[in-house]
Amino acid sequence: RKEVEQDPGPFNVPEGATVAFNCTYSNSASQSFFWYRQDCRKEPKLLMSVYSSGNEDGRFTAQLNRASQYISLLIRDSKLSDSATYLCVVSRSSGGYQKVTFGIGTKLQVIP
Amino acid sequence: DVKVTQSSRYLVKRTGEKVFLECVQDMDHENMFWYRQDPGLGLRLIYFSYDVKMKEKGDIPEGYSVSREKKERFSLILESASTNQTSMYLCASSPGTGGYGYTFGSGTRLTVV
Repeated sequence: RKEVEQDPGPFNVPEGATVAFNCTYSNSASQSFFWYRQDCRKEPKLLMSVYSSGNEDGRFTAQLNRASQYISLLIRDSKLSDSATYLCVVSRSSGGYQKVTFGIGTKLQVIP
Repeated sequence: DVKVTQSSRYLVKRTGEKVFLECVQDMDHENMFWYRQDPGLGLRLIYFSYDVKMKEKGDIPEGYSVSREKKERFSLILESASTNQTSMYLCASSPGTGGYGYTFGSGTRLTVV
């Protein structure tokens, strides 16, 4: 089983819609969680961290469910500029280092 | 504006060649990483370094080596390029470990023919 799993999509949504992605992780010892955004043919960039208490940044809300071992990203009022691939990132301690695992990403296409 | 700069955007090399991919960061970060990104496989860690002269193997180090002689520079070396090393290579640096605040370079698309 993969350590981090994401639905690759694509998710095609109209402008103004609300869309949510989930990401599941297999190791219960995972400690830190993030969402990165990657535009087509560009490098990934940190979108937001994910906390147990939830994290909101404008139209974006990230949540963590430790019991079910998943994180989510909710985008409200989708814009064309939100079209990108969203990467789930999970990290845990391993052998004295932090093992950081990227998901394969969920592709979002916002349609006019 | 903080930056991670990778020396080449596109590179074509022949099978068996020794290939050097250079990465320089200007943020005084301790931590630097080399990933490759392939469709359906996501980002996979090749090597990382938490300090000058220090290097650790990631998940897929076979066929690669690295060098970190200066804090700002982290080089990836393909000892003898093979066609299965055709990929997008991404360098990253971060102020800490654990996935937070990674700044990636714009990537090098390497094709081995």
